[in-house]
Amino acid sequence: KAGVTQTPRYLIKTRGQQVTLSCSPISGHRSVSWYQQTPGQGLQFLFEYFSETQRNKGNFPGRFSGRQFSNSRSEMNVSTLELGDSALYLCASSLDRRQNTEAFFGQGTRLTVV
Amino acid sequence: AQRVTQPEKLLSVFKGAPVELKCNYSYSGSPELFWYVQYSRQRLQLLLRHISRESIKGFTADLNKGETSFHLKKPFAQEEDSAMYYCALSVWDSGYALNFGKGTSLLVTP
Repeated sequence: KAGVTQTPRYLIKTRGQQVTLSCSPISGHRSVSWYQQTPGQGLQFLFEYFSETQRNKGNFPGRFSGRQFSNSRSEMNVSTLELGDSALYLCASSLDRRQNTEAFFGQGTRLTVV
Repeated sequence: AQRVTQPEKLLSVFKGAPVELKCNYSYSGSPELFWYVQYSRQRLQLLLRHISRESIKGFTADLNKGETSFHLKKPFAQEEDSAMYYCALSVWDSGYALNFGKGTSLLVTP
């Protein structure tokens, strides 16, 4: 079956702009999580969505937001971009079974803020 | 607070040598631990998880609750094992999240 798909793969934005990233999970997966990966901080959890509801949120400012649609596809939005938002943003999908919480990752969207 | 620590940023070994990538965690609940691997230009993928107690590509990891460790081991390293390895703790707090360590870059040289 198809893996997790993220679009676009690369983005270059200017400080102050906003950006929307998209994630299509594996068919049947209802949980979608987002992570930020940077050389300094590593992989940090942003938020998790399930059945169109945000269930869990990491320690990021309100400029970072997301949503999930009825088909489980998810988007994340970053407003008022800062240089420090430059990172690889990873999306992961999983079945919502607590004993089988294997996360399948997409290839990521590389965001560069200039 | 939940925390995952991988003390080594880089580990370099010769082909055929044993490998141990260290991972320590702090978590007040019952931990669910994973090792993820990222090969060059590939996506992050699950290597193994403690609940299945399996061996994948020759790697094993045992959860030691007394030492709060989940070290990854392989008796004989291969060049194709060169990759970035992340230890992760699954946390359930009204929703699901993975708490990752900073990762260890493993380099296996011939």
